[in-house]
This record gives sequence, C-alpha cells and structure tokens, in this order.
Amino acid sequence: DGGITQSPKYLFRKEGQNVTLSCEQNLNHDAMYWYRQDPGQGLRLIYYSQIVNDFQKGDIAEGYSVSREKKESFPLTVTSAQKNPTAFYLCASTDSGPAYGYTFGSGTRLTVV
Amino acid sequence: SQKIEQNSEALNIQEGKTATLTCNYTNYSPAYLQWYRQDPGRGPVFLLLIRENEKEKRKERLKVTFDTTLKQSLFHITASQPADSATYLCALDGDAGNNRKLIWGLGTSLAVNP
Repeated sequence: DGGITQSPKYLFRKEGQNVTLSCEQNLNHDAMYWYRQDPGQGLRLIYYSQIVNDFQKGDIAEGYSVSREKKESFPLTVTSAQKNPTAFYLCASTDSGPAYGYTFGSGTRLTVV
Repeated sequence: SQKIEQNSEALNIQEGKTATLTCNYTNYSPAYLQWYRQDPGRGPVFLLLIRENEKEKRKERLKVTFDTTLKQSLFHITASQPADSATYLCALDGDAGNNRKLIWGLGTSLAVNP
C-alpha cells in the first residue's frame, strides 16, 4: 500500500546535537511538507518542496534544514540552532495539482534531554 | 491577518446523534477548504475537500458545507459512534495548483459517548 513513512517514531536529542528525521513516500507525489505540532497550537509549516532539488522556507524555518535529492525522500534536520526543538513533527505529501488532500506520516516525537 | 477559528471547547455528544463542528475564517478567500481527523499521537487523516463554488459535499456519514458569504464551514457526522471520537482539523487552501500551502485551525476535540 502507498503511504508516507516517518522514522523514528520517538527521538531523543542532547543539547547541541543535530538530528535528522526521515520521511519517505511511495505515492509518487511531487509536493512534500514538514510541520511542527505543539500542544495548543496549530500545525506550523517548517519547510516545503514542490519538486526535486527545490524547497522553500515555511513560517518557522529557523534552526531547521532540509534536502530533496529524490522525489520519494524529504529529510528534516533539526540543528543545534533550534532553541526549542521538543515537539511532534509531521511530514506530508500531496499531488501538485489542485483539489487534493494531504497524506501525512505517523509523526516523530522529538524530545531534548 | 488571516485567521481560522474552530470550536475551542471539546464537543461531547451521545452515540447516534449528529455532531456538528464549525470552522470560521477571516481575512481570507480560500479556493478550497479541507477537513481532517487526528487521533492522539498520530498524523492527520484527510476526510473531505470542498471547493468555493460548492455548497455541500457528502461522504458516507460525513457532510461538509461551505458558505463563502458567512466565511464558515460546518462539518457534520451523522449517526455518530464512539469510534468517531478524535480531533477534527479544518484547513484552508488558497493557492491550489501553485504552492499549496494550507492554513490550519487548532482543531475541535469530539467525544462520542456510548
């Protein structure tokens, strides 16, 4: 079955470390997105990519980086510059045409220890 | 600035009744409006999309309305079941076919009691 796979499900990071969250999709979707979800706040867009080798900053890109070397993959790196990285991270994809819903992964919960 | 409001208080209803959730927006003219379901610790799941020129859309026990004059969408679940208990998110899409960035509401928690 087609879908989006995020890994790991839980991730613990020490202060000052960079960590990379994986997102892989086999839906042949062009567009991919990274969101952060915190209690009491809506989904906030970190980065998005509409095509391979191209991506744009979202609303809260500071302290994060991404790459899009393959259509199927859109990894997110949380750098040490991100001051409050503890959150639930969600990856999504969609067809680039109009009127399609997003398909989300099951999320990665990142905790700073 | 653009703003989406969903019922902030949790909605508790009895099994078999119709649940109605509200999504209001301001300073925005979306081309599409979407509804998602999210269970605790999981990613949102797409349910329905309605276009600005559609008044109503149905899918099984779900019905969505879209009133661009009132700037409001209503999401109905008929014959509700305990398995419908979840948080429901509303999202607006104004640049369909372009950058496809959605604007998200905070969600409304629904509890269906047996």
